Amino acid sequence: DAKTTQPTSMDCAEGRAANLPCNHSTISGNEYVYWYRQIHSQGPQYIIHGLKNNETNEMASLIITEDRKSSTLILPHATLRDTAVYYCIVAPFGNEKLTFGTGTRLTIIP
Amino acid sequence: DSGVTQTPKHLITATGQRVTLRCSPRSGDLSVYWYQQSLDQGLQFLIQYYNGEERAKGNILERFSAQQFPDLHSELNLSSLELGDSALYFCASSVEDRGVAFFGQGTRLTVV
Repeated sequence: DAKTTQPTSMDCAEGRAANLPCNHSTISGNEYVYWYRQIHSQGPQYIIHGLKNNETNEMASLIITEDRKSSTLILPHATLRDTAVYYCIVAPFGNEKLTFGTGTRLTIIP
Repeated sequence: DSGVTQTPKHLITATGQRVTLRCSPRSGDLSVYWYQQSLDQGLQFLIQYYNGEERAKGNILERFSAQQFPDLHSELNLSSLELGDSALYFCASSVEDRGVAFFGQGTRLTVV
Protein backbone atom coordinates (compact mmCIF):
# COMPACT_ATOMS: atom_id res chain seq x y z
CA ASP A 1 0.00 0.00 0.00
CA ALA A 2 1.10 3.55 -0.66
CA LYS A 3 2.51 5.46 2.28
CA THR A 4 0.81 8.56 3.62
CA THR A 5 2.18 11.57 5.46
CA GLN A 6 0.04 13.56 7.86
CA PRO A 7 0.83 16.31 10.34
CA THR A 8 1.22 14.97 13.85
CA SER A 9 -1.25 17.37 15.38
CA MET A 10 -3.57 20.26 14.57
CA ASP A 11 -5.86 22.60 16.43
CA CYS A 12 -9.08 24.09 15.17
CA ALA A 13 -11.54 26.50 16.76
CA GLU A 14 -15.00 25.19 17.45
CA GLY A 15 -17.43 26.12 14.69
CA ARG A 16 -14.72 26.63 12.12
CA ALA A 17 -13.86 24.29 9.27
CA ALA A 18 -11.14 21.79 10.06
CA ASN A 19 -8.92 21.01 7.10
CA LEU A 20 -6.75 17.94 7.52
CA PRO A 21 -4.10 17.39 4.85
CA CYS A 22 -2.65 14.11 3.69
CA ASN A 23 0.21 13.51 1.30
CA HIS A 24 0.23 10.27 -0.72
CA SER A 25 2.61 10.99 -3.55
CA THR A 26 3.19 7.30 -4.38
CA ILE A 27 -0.49 6.41 -4.78
CA SER A 28 -1.30 3.90 -7.51
CA GLY A 29 -4.10 4.18 -10.03
CA ASN A 30 -6.30 1.59 -8.35
CA GLU A 31 -5.83 2.90 -4.82
CA TYR A 32 -8.49 4.80 -2.97
CA VAL A 33 -8.04 7.38 -0.21
CA TYR A 34 -9.84 6.43 3.01
CA TRP A 35 -10.31 8.49 6.13
CA TYR A 36 -11.06 7.03 9.53
CA ARG A 37 -10.97 8.64 12.95
CA GLN A 38 -10.53 7.29 16.44
CA ILE A 39 -11.93 9.08 19.44
CA HIS A 40 -9.98 8.30 22.60
CA SER A 41 -9.44 4.53 22.31
CA GLN A 42 -12.87 3.88 20.86
CA GLY A 43 -13.13 1.81 17.71
CA PRO A 44 -12.01 3.58 14.54
CA GLN A 45 -14.89 5.22 12.73
CA TYR A 46 -15.14 5.29 8.95
CA ILE A 47 -15.57 8.82 7.61
CA ILE A 48 -15.27 8.87 3.84
CA HIS A 49 -13.36 7.51 0.89
CA GLY A 50 -12.70 8.50 -2.71
CA LEU A 51 -10.75 7.63 -5.83
CA LYS A 52 -10.24 10.84 -7.77
CA ASN A 53 -13.41 12.89 -7.58
CA ASN A 54 -14.25 15.03 -4.61
CA GLU A 55 -16.68 13.35 -2.24
CA THR A 56 -19.09 14.64 0.37
CA ASN A 57 -21.25 12.92 2.94
CA GLU A 58 -23.01 13.90 6.13
CA MET A 59 -19.78 13.88 8.09
CA ALA A 60 -17.17 15.45 5.86
CA SER A 61 -15.86 16.38 2.43
CA LEU A 62 -12.85 14.87 0.74
CA ILE A 63 -10.89 16.92 -1.74
CA ILE A 64 -8.37 15.01 -3.86
CA THR A 65 -5.91 16.92 -6.03
CA GLU A 66 -5.98 16.31 -9.75
CA ASP A 67 -2.66 14.42 -9.68
CA ARG A 68 -4.03 12.42 -6.69
CA LYS A 69 -0.81 12.96 -4.76
CA SER A 70 -2.52 14.67 -1.87
CA SER A 71 -5.93 15.13 -0.33
CA THR A 72 -7.72 17.17 2.32
CA LEU A 73 -10.43 16.06 4.67
CA ILE A 74 -12.78 18.89 5.58
CA LEU A 75 -15.01 18.91 8.63
CA PRO A 76 -17.20 21.90 7.79
CA HIS A 77 -18.26 23.00 11.26
CA ALA A 78 -16.03 21.38 13.84
CA THR A 79 -17.45 20.58 17.26
CA LEU A 80 -15.73 19.43 20.44
CA ARG A 81 -16.85 15.88 19.62
CA ASP A 82 -14.64 15.96 16.53
CA THR A 83 -11.53 15.88 18.72
CA ALA A 84 -9.86 12.63 17.65
CA VAL A 85 -6.97 11.05 15.79
CA TYR A 86 -7.65 11.14 12.05
CA TYR A 87 -6.11 8.50 9.82
CA CYS A 88 -5.58 8.88 6.09
CA ILE A 89 -5.14 5.49 4.42
CA VAL A 90 -4.40 4.67 0.82
CA ALA A 91 -5.30 1.19 -0.39
CA PRO A 92 -7.10 -0.70 -3.13
CA PHE A 93 -10.87 -0.55 -2.64
CA GLY A 94 -11.91 -2.50 0.44
CA ASN A 95 -8.39 -3.71 1.18
CA GLU A 96 -8.87 -5.64 4.36
CA LYS A 97 -5.36 -4.94 5.51
CA LEU A 98 -5.98 -1.31 6.31
CA THR A 99 -2.62 0.09 7.35
CA PHE A 100 -3.13 2.68 10.03
CA GLY A 101 -0.23 5.08 10.47
CA THR A 102 0.11 7.52 13.33
CA GLY A 103 -2.54 9.90 12.00
CA THR A 104 -3.24 13.52 12.92
CA ARG A 105 -4.39 14.35 16.41
CA LEU A 106 -7.03 17.03 15.89
CA THR A 107 -8.00 19.10 18.90
CA ILE A 108 -11.07 21.30 18.69
CA ILE A 109 -10.69 24.32 20.91
CA PRO A 110 -13.74 25.97 22.50
CA ASP B 1 -23.01 2.81 17.22
CA SER B 2 -21.39 0.88 14.36
CA GLY B 3 -23.52 -2.23 14.86
CA VAL B 4 -20.47 -4.38 15.60
CA THR B 5 -20.58 -5.88 19.10
CA GLN B 6 -17.54 -7.04 21.00
CA THR B 7 -17.46 -8.84 24.33
CA PRO B 8 -16.13 -8.56 26.90
CA LYS B 9 -15.27 -4.86 27.05
CA HIS B 10 -12.52 -5.41 29.58
CA LEU B 11 -10.52 -8.49 30.49
CA ILE B 12 -7.78 -8.91 33.07
CA THR B 13 -5.88 -12.16 33.17
CA ALA B 14 -2.55 -13.60 34.21
CA THR B 15 0.44 -14.51 32.10
CA GLY B 16 0.25 -17.97 30.62
CA GLN B 17 -3.53 -17.99 30.51
CA ARG B 18 -5.86 -18.30 27.54
CA VAL B 19 -8.75 -15.99 26.67
CA THR B 20 -11.43 -15.78 24.01
CA LEU B 21 -12.69 -12.52 22.56
CA ARG B 22 -16.01 -12.48 20.78
CA CYS B 23 -17.30 -10.38 17.91
CA SER B 24 -20.76 -10.12 16.40
CA PRO B 25 -20.66 -8.36 13.04
CA ARG B 26 -23.25 -5.95 11.70
CA SER B 27 -26.38 -7.65 10.42
CA GLY B 28 -25.76 -8.85 6.88
CA ASP B 29 -21.97 -8.45 6.98
CA LEU B 30 -20.09 -11.54 5.87
CA SER B 31 -16.55 -10.37 6.54
CA VAL B 32 -14.90 -9.99 9.92
CA TYR B 33 -11.49 -8.48 10.64
CA TRP B 34 -9.42 -8.45 13.81
CA TYR B 35 -6.97 -5.69 14.75
CA GLN B 36 -4.67 -5.20 17.71
CA GLN B 37 -3.79 -1.78 19.07
CA SER B 38 -1.02 -1.48 21.61
CA LEU B 39 0.60 1.71 22.81
CA ASP B 40 3.82 1.27 20.89
CA GLN B 41 2.52 -0.41 17.74
CA GLY B 42 -0.59 1.42 16.66
CA LEU B 43 -3.38 -0.47 14.92
CA GLN B 44 -2.17 -3.75 13.46
CA PHE B 45 -4.22 -6.01 11.19
CA LEU B 46 -4.33 -9.57 12.50
CA ILE B 47 -6.67 -11.67 10.40
CA GLN B 48 -9.80 -11.63 8.23
CA TYR B 49 -12.59 -14.14 7.78
CA TYR B 50 -15.19 -14.10 5.03
CA ASN B 51 -18.30 -16.25 5.34
CA GLY B 52 -16.55 -18.72 7.59
CA GLU B 53 -13.30 -18.99 5.67
CA GLU B 54 -9.97 -17.39 6.45
CA ARG B 55 -9.35 -14.74 3.78
CA ALA B 56 -6.26 -12.81 4.82
CA LYS B 57 -3.62 -12.97 7.49
CA GLY B 58 -1.54 -10.19 8.93
CA ASN B 59 0.81 -10.00 11.87
CA ILE B 60 -0.91 -12.64 13.93
CA LEU B 61 1.19 -14.65 16.37
CA GLU B 62 1.06 -18.44 16.34
CA ARG B 63 -0.30 -18.28 19.90
CA PHE B 64 -3.35 -16.50 18.51
CA SER B 65 -6.09 -18.08 16.44
CA ALA B 66 -9.49 -17.08 15.20
CA GLN B 67 -12.55 -18.55 13.60
CA GLN B 68 -15.87 -17.47 12.17
CA PHE B 69 -18.94 -19.54 12.93
CA PRO B 70 -21.94 -20.36 10.71
CA ASP B 71 -23.92 -17.55 12.34
CA LEU B 72 -21.03 -15.26 11.26
CA HIS B 73 -19.88 -14.29 14.72
CA SER B 74 -16.16 -14.59 15.25
CA GLU B 75 -13.87 -15.46 18.13
CA LEU B 76 -10.24 -14.56 18.64
CA ASN B 77 -8.39 -16.97 20.90
CA LEU B 78 -5.22 -15.79 22.63
CA SER B 79 -3.15 -18.37 24.48
CA SER B 80 0.03 -18.49 26.56
CA LEU B 81 -0.52 -14.84 27.22
CA GLU B 82 2.42 -12.53 27.81
CA LEU B 83 2.59 -9.07 29.30
CA GLY B 84 3.15 -7.67 25.81
CA ASP B 85 -0.20 -8.97 24.64
CA SER B 86 -1.90 -6.29 26.69
CA ALA B 87 -3.70 -4.17 24.13
CA LEU B 88 -7.00 -3.12 22.67
CA TYR B 89 -8.41 -5.72 20.30
CA PHE B 90 -10.85 -4.47 17.70
CA CYS B 91 -13.15 -6.36 15.46
CA ALA B 92 -14.52 -4.86 12.25
CA SER B 93 -17.00 -6.09 9.69
CA SER B 94 -18.02 -5.33 6.14
CA VAL B 95 -20.70 -6.52 3.75
CA GLU B 96 -18.39 -8.34 1.39
CA ASP B 97 -14.77 -9.25 1.57
CA ARG B 98 -13.70 -5.94 0.15
CA GLY B 99 -15.99 -3.36 1.64
CA VAL B 100 -15.52 -0.41 3.94
CA ALA B 101 -14.97 -1.73 7.45
CA PHE B 102 -16.99 -0.74 10.51
CA PHE B 103 -15.32 -1.25 13.87
CA GLY B 104 -16.60 -2.38 17.23
CA GLN B 105 -15.70 -0.66 20.48
CA GLY B 106 -12.96 -3.12 21.29
CA THR B 107 -11.90 -5.39 24.10
CA ARG B 108 -9.24 -4.03 26.42
CA LEU B 109 -7.03 -6.93 27.48
CA THR B 110 -4.69 -6.51 30.40
CA VAL B 111 -2.21 -9.28 31.16
CA VAL B 112 -0.71 -9.14 34.64
